Amino acid sequence: DADVTQTPRNRITKTGKRIMLECSQTKGHDRMYWYRQDPGLGLRLIYYSFDVKDINKGEISDGYSVSRQAQAKFSLSLESAIPNQTALYFCATSDPSAGSNTGELFFGEGSRLTVL
Amino acid sequence: KNQVEQSPQSLIILEGKNCTLQCNYTVSPFSNLRWYKQDTGRGPVSLTIMTFSENTKSNGRYTATLDADTKQSSLHITASQLSDSASYICVVSRATGGGNKLTFGTGTQLKVEL
Repeated sequence: DADVTQTPRNRITKTGKRIMLECSQTKGHDRMYWYRQDPGLGLRLIYYSFDVKDINKGEISDGYSVSRQAQAKFSLSLESAIPNQTALYFCATSDPSAGSNTGELFFGEGSRLTVL
Repeated sequence: KNQVEQSPQSLIILEGKNCTLQCNYTVSPFSNLRWYKQDTGRGPVSLTIMTFSENTKSNGRYTATLDADTKQSSLHITASQLSDSASYICVVSRATGGGNKLTFGTGTQLKVEL
């Protein structure tokens, strides 16, 4: 089983619909992240969380919200989806106590979202 | 502005050949640089990390170099295999008061053909 699991893997929805992407991890990491990947652009940070009570905006948080329900779970919501939110979304985790490997991101398999 | 630029954007090579991917950055202050491999339809996976004091680091057939003075890194792939076909992403970490911030390159798409 994957250490970082994202659901759904693929989703097609219509403009204005509410969408939730879920992420769960078995790595025991405190830090979790949501990224967006678009063709020709680097991965961009949407939101991140360093523990259950911590939520921080990334560089492109407008139109998104998140919930850290437990150490192992971090969900991303689009309250009213729009076509330019069509993208590949990645959840990731990291372990700040990993010594020389501090900062390494462990990514899920991605969730491809299409908004019509 | 903190930026990471990778070249070439895409590359096609024959199986067994070597290739070198480039990463130039303007991120400051520099903390570390990672190369990730992203297979089609999968999440990125870290190949190697370079810190300020390291010039060269190998991971199997992958060798990364770092020139912190010129702010350049390269990833050399030796004796390429079909399974090397992927996107290779350079990620530079910047040290800030609030912790490290990451800047991602757009990746080099490598295709290895028979």
